[in-house]
Amino acid sequence: KQEVTQIPAALSVPEGENLVLNCSFTDSAIYNLQWFRQDPGKGLTSLLLIQSSQREQTSGRLNASLDKSSGRSTLYIAASQPGDSATYLCAVVGNAGNMLTFGGGTRLMVKP
Amino acid sequence: GAGVSQTPSNKVTEKGKYVELRCDPISGHTALYWYRQSLGQGPEFLIYFQGTGAADDSGLPNDRFFAVRPEGSVSTLKIQRTERGDSAVYLCASSPHGGGTDGYTFGSGTRLTVV
Repeated sequence: KQEVTQIPAALSVPEGENLVLNCSFTDSAIYNLQWFRQDPGKGLTSLLLIQSSQREQTSGRLNASLDKSSGRSTLYIAASQPGDSATYLCAVVGNAGNMLTFGGGTRLMVKP
Repeated sequence: GAGVSQTPSNKVTEKGKYVELRCDPISGHTALYWYRQSLGQGPEFLIYFQGTGAADDSGLPNDRFFAVRPEGSVSTLKIQRTERGDSAVYLCASSPHGGGTDGYTFGSGTRLTVV
């Protein structure tokens, strides 16, 4: 059974810092990996989707990498802003299934 | 519609009662998913529909939980004899064909509180 772990569970940084969120998964047979953002009381907003054949994806200040063989992904946020404060969730789709398996999330607080 | 719509946004019910949660996916999306998110945790898969049929219901925790999608669009998640442990945010997502290449669009969720 696929298990997804995110470290750290919570992170507080001053505005302007570059930061890295980590995601690991136990079964490397994945179809894709997706990073989401969740604001309090809201649904999930897709940030980046990386297919299993890709190594990274970039969108603005966000960069996500994927090392499928080692079961790891990182989300890099450049020049963090208070508006980046949210919970960031990593999720994978396995080759055998169609649904997402989520990690527990990283709660990010960016202080002005 | 423009996005995935879930109603109600909040539901408080008494232990033992029956509840229905509704999901309106993006028009034309054939794949629909239900997830449950407990406080401080990531969402957990419940059930996946492809069209009108449940393609994978392996995440439903027990037989008190049931979901339907009779016309391949709107879906209803039904919970019988609710228990306090059912309290969570129930999220719905849709995808054009399946999330493998198309990704997923999530609704804002229904927060269910069983008292």
